[in-house]
Amino acid sequence: QAVVTQEPSLTVSPGGTVTLTCGSSTGTVTAAHYPYWFQKRPGQAPKTLIYDTNNRQPWTPARFSGSLLGGKAALTLSGAQPEDEAEYYCLLSYSGARVVFGGGTKLTVL
Amino acid sequence: QVQLQESGPGLVEPSETLSLTCTVSGGSISRFYWSWIRQPPGKGLEWIGYIYSTGITNYNPSLKSRVTMSVDTSRNQFSLHLRSVTAADTAVYFCARDSPPRDFWGRGTLVTVSS
Repeated sequence: QAVVTQEPSLTVSPGGTVTLTCGSSTGTVTAAHYPYWFQKRPGQAPKTLIYDTNNRQPWTPARFSGSLLGGKAALTLSGAQPEDEAEYYCLLSYSGARVVFGGGTKLTVL
Repeated sequence: QVQLQESGPGLVEPSETLSLTCTVSGGSISRFYWSWIRQPPGKGLEWIGYIYSTGITNYNPSLKSRVTMSVDTSRNQFSLHLRSVTAADTAVYFCARDSPPRDFWGRGTLVTVSS
């Protein structure tokens, strides 16, 4: 089974910009992996931020954007807010209609 | 607005079967994919598998030998059964609508495996 890798932790200053990445052990991440990004806060259900690489949900602030970057999926946060402190998980789809979550990135806004 | 609610025992004994049900309200379960995801304490999310409203299933290979999912369209519910549980199966279990854009999730339920 494929392994999906994310940075374990990142820190961003309030108002700053940070990019989280999502790689695959099988090689380059493409649009065919239909990358998703979820925000997860303790005690809450995951919230879908981005789907199919770069599509925002209606509730996703415009400061979040998704892309493909350097062979990985990427989530860029521009203008970080204190409420953006959370864990972020990517999800990739593989053949056989199976999906795999990344290990998650703990984002600190400090 | 579609809402999902997980229900089931919060405590399961080792070697027994963990059984959870997800009730969907505010929309039909038909013609969608529905999934189970779990998060062990202090760890990341793990996809368990999905079931389509017609009963077609697809499971995580690492859990496939122990997992069964079922759907009851008349009750707008789908279920998870995980056999031969151990302490490693202790987690918060979420149900979600798996069809893109995966926008509806339950709040999750903690299941502890312990004697």
